[in-house]
Amino acid sequence: QLQLQESGPGLVQPSATLSLTCTVSGGSITSSTYYWGWFRQPPGKGLEWIGNIHYTANTYYNPSLRSRVTISVDTSKNQFSLKLSSVTAADTAVFYCARTPTSSYVDYWGRGTLVTVSS
Amino acid sequence: QLVLTQSPSASASLGASVKLTCTLSSGHISYAIAWHQQQPGKGPRYLMKVNTDDSHNKGDGIPDRFSGSSSGAERYLTISSLQSEDEADYYCQTWDTGYVVFGGGTKLSVL
Repeated sequence: QLQLQESGPGLVQPSATLSLTCTVSGGSITSSTYYWGWFRQPPGKGLEWIGNIHYTANTYYNPSLRSRVTISVDTSKNQFSLKLSSVTAADTAVFYCARTPTSSYVDYWGRGTLVTVSS
Repeated sequence: QLVLTQSPSASASLGASVKLTCTLSSGHISYAIAWHQQQPGKGPRYLMKVNTDDSHNKGDGIPDRFSGSSSGAERYLTISSLQSEDEADYYCQTWDTGYVVFGGGTKLSVL
């Protein structure tokens, strides 16, 4: 059974860079069929796509966040990571990592991790 | 622009059926979508992908009570024999090359 687990600080200072890692277990991140994605959900709001990455490092980003986002992959650790720079309180959200067949729909979600931006 | 529209809320009685709708924007009516369920306080769960020919592939362990269908620009999620645990937010999702978008979600209340 595929599992994805987000990890990283739960509190980030305004203007700092938010960093999260997703560890994939029960499957290989180097499967050519899949992209691996980051999503977020502000408290009480809907889901938003941040970006996807293939193990070859091909990436797609949400145009609204592109200038602040970097997604990377570490195949040796079966992990992929998110960096979101210059964060503000508006970036406070539950962040989810997920698997997406051919960068399309999500078929497996992580449990999510709450990141609060506050001083 | 690729947009998905969902009604903010829906309600139905315990044991009854409900049909939730997700509408694709003009120019995108041939797109497949996926449905996700988010129970209160939990993360999203993939339910199924709905193609334009009504074929769909469900996620692991999704009961037969959940089914998908399609008509024109509309994609549907039908839940039959409603149970209390079906009370949740339901999101539709679609995609284009290098782009993913969600509908605003429908909050389903089971009365």
